[in-house]
Amino acid sequence: QSVLTQPPSASGTPGQRVTISCSGSSSNIGSNYVYWYQQLPGTAPKLLIYSNNQRPSGVPDRFSGSKSGTSASLAISGLRSEDEADYYCAAWDDSLSGWVFGGGTKLTVL
Amino acid sequence: QVQLQQWGAGLLKPSETLSLTCAVYGGSFSGYFWSWIRQPPGKGLEWIGEINHSGSTNYNPSLKSRVTISVDTSKNQVSLKLSSVTAADTAVYYCARFYTPMDVWGKGTTVTVSS
Repeated sequence: QSVLTQPPSASGTPGQRVTISCSGSSSNIGSNYVYWYQQLPGTAPKLLIYSNNQRPSGVPDRFSGSKSGTSASLAISGLRSEDEADYYCAAWDDSLSGWVFGGGTKLTVL
Repeated sequence: QVQLQQWGAGLLKPSETLSLTCAVYGGSFSGYFWSWIRQPPGKGLEWIGEINHSGSTNYNPSLKSRVTISVDTSKNQVSLKLSSVTAADTAVYYCARFYTPMDVWGKGTTVTVSS
């Protein structure tokens, strides 16, 4: 059971906009930054969003992050087949004094 | 361009100690926390712990009693030891600097625990 809650799956057609939610609590998302990672099959995760809504250099602006209270969302616009991957949210948890991840969301591009 | 090279034993028997090392090449070692993260087959990511260049550590409370993360600043290396492994510790283990704008990950080491 992950500390952060994500839907196990999401899907969309090419060109569509999809969002993936991440729900936490006051000790993690509510008081700390949220990070999002993309993991393609057989590879290490890659940072997509840091500090709630910042994109590292090289990440397309089709990816965006937001946070409200104890929840966060990752939005992907103009969906492409290469976006098919697993997506994870993460945050520092003050109560656990450690990092926590969501269980991951498998995105399928139909 | 920072690169991480990790190595260690890939097959262990129950009750043995997992030992992995991660070397940091091509960039700054100090000023960051270096983490170990694992991923069981078909499952999600689990943070194990982290260490910085001065040896300050944070551990996942669920693993803390079995985990030791250490640093060798002379070699820019961090190491992970996980004692008394069971089949539940079977996973791909990554070293990473994962929450900075320029994240960097090792390729991962598959560790299997089997009698």
